Amino acid sequence: LAKTTQPPSMEAYEGQEVNVSCSHTNIATSEYIYWYRQVPHQGPQFIIQGYKDYVVNEVASLFISADRKLSTLSLPWVSLRDAAVYYCIVTGNPGNTRKLIFGLGTTLQVQP
Amino acid sequence: GGIITQTPKFLIGQEGQKLTLKCQQNFNHDTMYWYRQDSGKGLRLIYYSITENDLQKGDLSEGYDASREKKSSFSLTVTSAQKNEMAVFLCASSIWGETLYFGSGTRLTVL
Repeated sequence: LAKTTQPPSMEAYEGQEVNVSCSHTNIATSEYIYWYRQVPHQGPQFIIQGYKDYVVNEVASLFISADRKLSTLSLPWVSLRDAAVYYCIVTGNPGNTRKLIFGLGTTLQVQP
Repeated sequence: GGIITQTPKFLIGQEGQKLTLKCQQNFNHDTMYWYRQDSGKGLRLIYYSITENDLQKGDLSEGYDASREKKSSFSLTVTSAQKNEMAVFLCASSIWGETLYFGSGTRLTVL
């Protein structure tokens, strides 16, 4: 399983766009990229997943570099509710979700 | 939509005590998981189950037992609580190959 590297923390103001980066230099061709987030006193919640290029949903967008070694989660117009720990996870094909490894993630602080 | 319910929300035990945590899901998911989260550390997989009566060890299974007697429920037992232990235990479920849905956790404190 590919290891991921994320910044330990980030700060933003409400209304800003936030980009959280994740490096996965050893990602295998069979592996996908998942993003989850965890707010205090809750379990992690799935945000988005992708394999290559660009993925967007109602919550966030995910850009994956051409060599797939770097991904960036983009949160438009963050609010105080977006303050959370964001986890980038790389694992085998979607059938291998049982092997998801949650590291320390990126703690996002949002100021009013 | 569905929900994952973990009970109890808070669990206080004594050193050496056997403690049981319970998890129920109404998603009708086949796979269920138990993770442990310590302060300053990521989530670590203790046990998972791909179907009723199935059990698979994760990276942190020593000191724990698990039970999946029904598709909708997955229990975790701390076989001998360690003094001063504090952690959050998170239960999750998923359809095969799909994303995980987590409960809110059980917070364990051992006196």
